[in-house]
Amino acid sequence: TQLLEQSPQFLSIQEGENLTVYCNSSSVFSSLQWYRQEPGEGPVLLVTVVTGGEVKKLKRLTFQFGDARKDSSLHITAAQPGDTGLYLCAGVAGTASKLTFGTGTRLQVTL
Amino acid sequence: GAVVSQHPSRVICKSGTSVKIECRSLDFQATTMFWYRQFPKKSLMLMATSNEGSKATYEQGVEKDKFLINHASLTLSTLTVTSAHPEDSSFYICSALAGERGTQYFGPGTRLTVL
Repeated sequence: TQLLEQSPQFLSIQEGENLTVYCNSSSVFSSLQWYRQEPGEGPVLLVTVVTGGEVKKLKRLTFQFGDARKDSSLHITAAQPGDTGLYLCAGVAGTASKLTFGTGTRLQVTL
Repeated sequence: GAVVSQHPSRVICKSGTSVKIECRSLDFQATTMFWYRQFPKKSLMLMATSNEGSKATYEQGVEKDKFLINHASLTLSTLTVTSAHPEDSSFYICSALAGERGTQYFGPGTRLTVL
């Protein structure tokens, strides 16, 4: 069973601060995705990383896939209240399409 | 982008009744759809993989007779919670597989409350 542990579980910061969320596993994934979910809604895909060491940027969000494709990080610069939500990483192992979701990181950004 | 809808968005039912939740891919065909369950403040747990024209594949610990899945067309999968009990109350989310990369697009979820 592949497990994806996210840290921290909960983060409360003020607007303008930077933060990093980690997603770690002992398993290798062929690709890893990051989602953001707001209360009462389904997850929305932010990015997919497929190559070890890959870095992708989405405005103030920077995503990195570990060299060994076992871990990933999400860095947010100058957080805004609109960044508030549940951040989920999810990995795909091998050629299967099933997603294994991480434990989740709940982010709260206050004014 | 690919759009997935779910109906109903929320449902309240009495214990012992059955509830059907629909998942539709609106602008693409999906031979594979997935059903997830999410408890409050928790992550998504995969329940089953729904394959068009064949039986669903259930994850370990998920009762197939309790959670009936039917994928009758390339745009519709249904999840029926049979003889629902309060412990079945949860947020149920579906996703549909699309594109060459096999990206999953998620529905908005269905909040089930069993009284």
